[in-house]
Amino acid sequence: AQSVTQPDIHITVSEGASLELRCNYSYGATPYLFWYVQSPGQGLQLLLKYFSGDTLVQGIKGFEAEFKRSQSSFNLRKPSVHWSDAAENFCAVKGNTPLVFGKGTRLSVIA
Amino acid sequence: DAGITQSPRYKITETGRQVTLMCHQTWSHSYMFWYRQDLGHGLRLIYYSAAADITDKGEVPDGYVVSRSKTENFPLTLESATRSQTSVYFCASGSSVGLQETQYFGPGTRLLVL
Repeated sequence: AQSVTQPDIHITVSEGASLELRCNYSYGATPYLFWYVQSPGQGLQLLLKYFSGDTLVQGIKGFEAEFKRSQSSFNLRKPSVHWSDAAENFCAVKGNTPLVFGKGTRLSVIA
Repeated sequence: DAGITQSPRYKITETGRQVTLMCHQTWSHSYMFWYRQDLGHGLRLIYYSAAADITDKGEVPDGYVVSRSKTENFPLTLESATRSQTSVYFCASGSSVGLQETQYFGPGTRLLVL
């Protein structure tokens, strides 16, 4: 079965600065990979996903993520963070069983 | 254009009571899922369903019962609520392409068991 680890529980970034949220997965084959975002009191919204092909995927709100097979990683990036990006972010992996979510990384944005 | 809805949005109950959380989707998605979200655990899958009358256990199914008589509805029942079932519950649905397709989430139900 697959598993996913988000090493950072909480990250604080200044508005306008760049962002990288880490995600590492464990699965024997190429998995399907997702990043979801959850604003306070809301459900989860898909930011982006990787199924196959180009390893750099673009998502909504200016986010991108890169699949690196050699590192078993799918890190989320954004070149310039906005105050509205403050949220809980979840990486998820799909192998031969339903989606497995990481425990999440809370992103705080300061002025 | 409702998408996926959950009711109630908030629920307070007592230990030992039966509680049913409702989930309804208007997309005719084949797959539906129930998750619970707890601090420090992220989202954990309780049950899922591939189609009407087909359900499977997820990671944490104990104490929960599901049914799916219609494609659009996927109720989750806590037969005898316990304090450990205090949580935020999310329903999700996905298209008939399969489990690899994107899941769309409802707004959640906050359940407090006293």
